[in-house]
Amino acid sequence: DTAVSQTPKYLVTQMGNDKSIKCEQNLGHDTMYWYKQDSKKFLKIMFSYNNKELIINETVPNRFSPKSPDKAHLNLHINSLELGDSAVYFCASSQSRPTRDEQYFGPGTRLTVT
Amino acid sequence: DQQVKQNSPSLSVQEGRISILNCDYTNSMFDYFLWYKKYPAEGPTFLISISSIKDKNEDGRFTVFLNKSAKHLSLHIVPSQPGDSAVYFCAASPTGTASKLTFGTGTRLQVTL
Repeated sequence: DTAVSQTPKYLVTQMGNDKSIKCEQNLGHDTMYWYKQDSKKFLKIMFSYNNKELIINETVPNRFSPKSPDKAHLNLHINSLELGDSAVYFCASSQSRPTRDEQYFGPGTRLTVT
Repeated sequence: DQQVKQNSPSLSVQEGRISILNCDYTNSMFDYFLWYKKYPAEGPTFLISISSIKDKNEDGRFTVFLNKSAKHLSLHIVPSQPGDSAVYFCAASPTGTASKLTFGTGTRLQVTL
C-alpha cells in the first residue's frame, strides 16, 4: 500500500550510459515531481507534471527527460550519464486543487555514476 | 542564491525538552511554508504547514510560527522524543505556483535520552 514508489532504489552505472528511474503514486494525485538531492543535501526541484502536462521545468540539462504516461506515473530518463549526476532522486506527488496540498515523497533512488 | 536558509546544520536536545528549528527566507513572493522530516534512506514526510495569512499553526506536539516581517519561521516540538531524531527541512512556495517548493538545506535534530 505504498503511496509513492520508485524503482530502482539503488542504481550504479558508468559514465555515458542511459538509465531510467520509474515512479508511481496510488494517491489519486494530479501532480507529480522529480527532485534531486545533491551531495550537499540540497533538495531541488527538477520537473513537475500536472495531469500529464509539464508545468515546471527548472534549469536541467537536456539529457534529463521526464515522461508521464498517465497521472499516476512519472518516469525520469537520463542520457549520457555524467559523474555530476550522482545524487539521490526523489519523486513526489500532490493534489493541486481545490487547495494547495503538501507533497508526498517516494523513498528515493540513489544514483551513482562511476 | 539560496532563497530558503536553515543556518543550523544540527541541533541536540534532551528528551522532554523543547526543540526549536529555525528557517529564514528571502523571497517576498513566498506565501506558503512547510516543514518536512526525513529519516535516513527514506523520502521526506510532511509534518506541518502554514499559510502567510496566519502566524501560527499547531498540530499536536508540533507548532510552526511565521514572522512575515522578519521573513522567518520556526518549528517547535514539545516535548521532544527520541523518535523525532531526523533531518528537518523547511520549504516554501510562491503565490500562484502551488507546486514549486524551494527547500532549505535541513537541520539534523538529535534527541538524547
